[in-house]
Amino acid sequence: KNEVEQSPQNLTAQEGEFITINCSYSVGISALHWLQQHPGGGIVSLFMLSSGKKKHGRLIATINIQEKHSSLHITASHPRDSAVYICAVRSRETSGSRLTFGEGTQLTVNP
Amino acid sequence: NAGVMQNPRHLVRRRGQEARLRCSPMKGHSHVYWYRQLPEEGLKFMVYLQKENIIDESGMPKERFSAEFPKEGPSILRIQQVVRGDSAAYFCASSPLYEGQSTDTQYFGPGTRLTVL
Repeated sequence: KNEVEQSPQNLTAQEGEFITINCSYSVGISALHWLQQHPGGGIVSLFMLSSGKKKHGRLIATINIQEKHSSLHITASHPRDSAVYICAVRSRETSGSRLTFGEGTQLTVNP
Repeated sequence: NAGVMQNPRHLVRRRGQEARLRCSPMKGHSHVYWYRQLPEEGLKFMVYLQKENIIDESGMPKERFSAEFPKEGPSILRIQQVVRGDSAAYFCASSPLYEGQSTDTQYFGPGTRLTVL
């Protein structure tokens, strides 16, 4: 079993829909990251969370430390949101800021 | 402030050749991480370096792979005698990681896509 599990693996939505991507992890963490990987392959860091909730534009990320679960929400989705969304955690047991990644969720938003 | 830079962006090598991948962290960042993304797989940690020190290389294959981050110049990931299974995207990330600060955002480079023929 992977330390970081994401669901769903693939998600197709219509423009305007509200989208939720889930991430569960099995280790004690000091931080959780949500990343976006574009079709061209570049990776952008969206959020880093250690508790609570963060919002940036149409993106919202939440984390529940007790339940070891995080969600990424996209409101009013748009075709340009189509990308792979990756959850990554920094384990308390490892040195530095080394990250362990989920397998990613492929999001496709159709016009 | 330029972001993390990696070069080359694409690298083609024949089996048995050497591959050198370079990563220049963001200005002021002294911590570098290398990650590998095999085709159709997720990102995997390889190595974590500070200037002139390897902090954690537990994700590096035991043979043919090495990494350095010299006092001057970029971090280098070196793969000797490449094989087809080394074909992947290699990403570098940097962070400032101030003392006493346990969490910091990592800034990713655009990646180097290595193809071994």
